[in-house]
Amino acid sequence: EPEVTQTPSHQVTQMGQEVILRCVPISNHLYFYWYRQILGQKVEFLVSFYNNEISEKSEIFDDQFSVERPDGSNFTLKIRSTKLEDSAMYFCASSPGGETQYFGPGTRLLVL
Amino acid sequence: DAKTTQPPSMDCAEGRAANLPCNHSTISGNEYVYWYRQIHSQGPQYIIHGLKNNETNEMASLIITEDRKSSTLILPHATLRDTAVYYCIVRATNNNDMRFGAGTRLTVKP
Repeated sequence: EPEVTQTPSHQVTQMGQEVILRCVPISNHLYFYWYRQILGQKVEFLVSFYNNEISEKSEIFDDQFSVERPDGSNFTLKIRSTKLEDSAMYFCASSPGGETQYFGPGTRLLVL
Repeated sequence: DAKTTQPPSMDCAEGRAANLPCNHSTISGNEYVYWYRQIHSQGPQYIIHGLKNNETNEMASLIITEDRKSSTLILPHATLRDTAVYYCIVRATNNNDMRFGAGTRLTVKP
């Protein structure tokens, strides 16, 4: 059964550094999403992406964040200058037509 | 503003049915009821969804009341591996995000 994959599984970075989190959505899915979950808290929506552009973003998704689908298969989340409070699990999800979303295993980001 | 209400925790004996309730009294006519679960810190896993009819798949059954103001997720024969946080989410299909609440922490005990 096809799955969403994410790399790396863990990332440790210094505050102020840029990080890129990578996702490979399920083939033929058209809608892509990023969520995050700070330890012990709820899963929070960050951004959705469709037809090569952002379709919706939350207030969390500020100018430090960007998303890209560089090559038709990968979907990336970039954090330009990481802050301590960016430490969280980041989940990518994809959907064939915008209804049911299928989540990846996540990337655990730790900002020191 | 929460659109669903779930008990924070429940226990279930292994091999028994687990019945997880969810209240969504303000659900709109175009909103579906989705259930996901999250095992430890893994990614949320889709379980089932429905609009107004009861639904069943290989994982679970979803019972939606006739007025659609509440639903129950049923795991027919719970195993230890079903221990997880279960999220009930109401969402119109044209909305982009899944709004996760705190969910119900289900503990399956031997």
